[in-house]
Amino acid sequence: DAKTTQPPSMDCAEGRAANLPCNHSTISGNEYVYWYRQIHSQGPQYIIHGLKNNETNEMASLIITEDRKSSTLILPHATLRDTAVYYCIVRVPSNFGNEKLTFGTGTRLTIIP
Amino acid sequence: ETGVTQSPTHLIKTRGQQVTLRCSSQSGHNTVSWYQQALGQGPQFIFQYYREEENGRGNFPPRFSGLQFPNYSSELNVNALELDDSALYLCASSSPEGTAVGEQFFGPGTRLTVL
Repeated sequence: DAKTTQPPSMDCAEGRAANLPCNHSTISGNEYVYWYRQIHSQGPQYIIHGLKNNETNEMASLIITEDRKSSTLILPHATLRDTAVYYCIVRVPSNFGNEKLTFGTGTRLTIIP
Repeated sequence: ETGVTQSPTHLIKTRGQQVTLRCSSQSGHNTVSWYQQALGQGPQFIFQYYREEENGRGNFPPRFSGLQFPNYSSELNVNALELDDSALYLCASSSPEGTAVGEQFFGPGTRLTVL
């Protein structure tokens, strides 16, 4: 799995959009970008994933650059409950087990009231 | 739909002892993965079980072993506990067949402290 680089911490004001960057310059053509988050004392939670097109779901939007070497997770209207560690992971999804996730140290996002 | 559950929530052991952690996968999921998360670090992959067989292993010694049962629940066993084994142990379930998402559903974890 390709290596990712994320800033160790970020702050965002409540109600504003939180933009979390991730660099994955060695990503290969068949690797997807996944985002998970981990709220304190809980297990990680899946947020969103994408290959090369921008994606949006009820939780967030994922913007992937055209060269796929970086991406940004956007939480459009951050709330205090979005305070968590956010992990960017790149991997090839498997349809036959071997679903190993390689976590880095992530970005600790703090939402400021 | 019941999510992933783990037991116990907290556990204290002494060096050299053995421990068994348990995980019940989400309904319909036949794959269980175990992760170790040390304080301040991201989770590290230990191993995965798919249909009762080990299906991938991370960089952990053989004293970390596991089982998966016919109902797809799983156990993680750690022998000869060391102080560095103190961590949050996470279980995640998924269902590779029929989905291309590769999403894993994590339980709340078991906090193991080795004294």
